[in-house]
Amino acid sequence: QQQVKQSPQSLIVQKGGISIINCAYENTAFDYFPWYQQFPGKGPALLIAIRPDVSEKKEGRFTISFNKSAKQFSLHIMDSQPGDSATYFCAASRNTGNQFYFGTGTSLTVIP
Amino acid sequence: NAGVTQTPKFQVLKTGQSMTLQCAQDMNHEYMSWYRQDPGMGLRLIHYSVGAGITDQGEVPNGYNVSRSTTEDFPLRLLSAAPSQTSVYFCASSPFSGETQYFGPGTRLLVL
Repeated sequence: QQQVKQSPQSLIVQKGGISIINCAYENTAFDYFPWYQQFPGKGPALLIAIRPDVSEKKEGRFTISFNKSAKQFSLHIMDSQPGDSATYFCAASRNTGNQFYFGTGTSLTVIP
Repeated sequence: NAGVTQTPKFQVLKTGQSMTLQCAQDMNHEYMSWYRQDPGMGLRLIHYSVGAGITDQGEVPNGYNVSRSTTEDFPLRLLSAAPSQTSVYFCASSPFSGETQYFGPGTRLLVL
């Protein structure tokens, strides 16, 4: 049973456009929702994270929108650049036990 | 700081062979985890540790053993490799439970 569902599986965006990746979760005990960025041949790296006490968090061109009632959260990449081309994973965890559950990933390609 | 290091980078095994994937971190993090990454399935938690001497099972623990004798090291053992264990393995560490994880560069394993 997939604890975190992610869509779309792949995404192609023009340079300067907005990339949007969505995730949904079931377990209301989750209280930490990170997004990771992974380049080919590398390990995932934390991009941005949010806790359920806020509805939005912005860091530069990256924004997380969080909807607690719908149990959904999304990553928005503004002014997408070719260097943003990577695989993005959402995840969820609780602050006890250190168990993280990842989405299946979204392969983003930004066309120049 | 070297961060999280993993060895080897790539390994080929025959079915039934055993091996140990090494993971070390120099950040004095209490929490460490092992994941496997397969196409279309995201990262799945194999085993995790909340401190030296304490380990627990994740989503897909069968066929893998771990131990945590020191804060720095968290090796993953395959006792009898199977083709289904062909994957990319990532080790991660975190200073706090359920928060930012720092990933190693991964070990690519092929079981024939």
